[in-house]
Amino acid sequence: AQTVTQSQPEMSVQEAETVTLSCTYDTSESDYYLFWYKQPPSRQMILVIRQEAYKQQNATENRFSVNFQKAAKSFSLKISDSQLGDAAMYFCAYRGKTSYDKVIFGPGTSLSVIP
Amino acid sequence: NAGVMQNPRHLVRRRGQEARLRCSPMKGHSHVYWYRQLPEEGLKFMVYLQKENIIDESGMPKERFSAEFPKEGPSILRIQQVVRGDSAAYFCASSPPYAAGPQHFGDGTRLSIL
Repeated sequence: AQTVTQSQPEMSVQEAETVTLSCTYDTSESDYYLFWYKQPPSRQMILVIRQEAYKQQNATENRFSVNFQKAAKSFSLKISDSQLGDAAMYFCAYRGKTSYDKVIFGPGTSLSVIP
Repeated sequence: NAGVMQNPRHLVRRRGQEARLRCSPMKGHSHVYWYRQLPEEGLKFMVYLQKENIIDESGMPKERFSAEFPKEGPSILRIQQVVRGDSAAYFCASSPPYAAGPQHFGDGTRLSIL
């Protein structure tokens, strides 16, 4: 069974600085999707970034980028130029390639941004 | 395009009552997933449905919980004889039938049991 681990329950970053959130996962599949979701206090689940496992190039969305290390089964999220609105819970997530697969979430990292 | 619609946003029930949570998937999406988020935890998969079929219910508690996705109308997650431990946020997600990729989440229903 697939599992997702986030070893940092809480992280903090100074405004305008860079922070990296860690995620590791376990799977026997060779092709899959990885995601980072943001959950602000409003409790919405907001997709931040996605990565397809067969693509070697790391995904980037504006200030958000990932470091995808397939062999190490590592998928970290880097947030550059941190803003107060980035404060939220961040969940790393895995999904298999078929349309039948559920999303498996990590336990989350709570990110605080210090003004 | 409307996103995934869940209602109600907040639901309060007394112990022993029934709770019904509704989810309308995005237009064109025929796959619906329900997840539960207990306080201070991540989302845990409960059930996956297509129209009129339950495909995977491996995350559903064996008793009191049921789900349906009828041919017409929203998907319903039903919790009978609620207990305090059912207090949680329940999220619905949908995806199109032809591809995997990210699921689109609703804003969730926060269920509180008095």
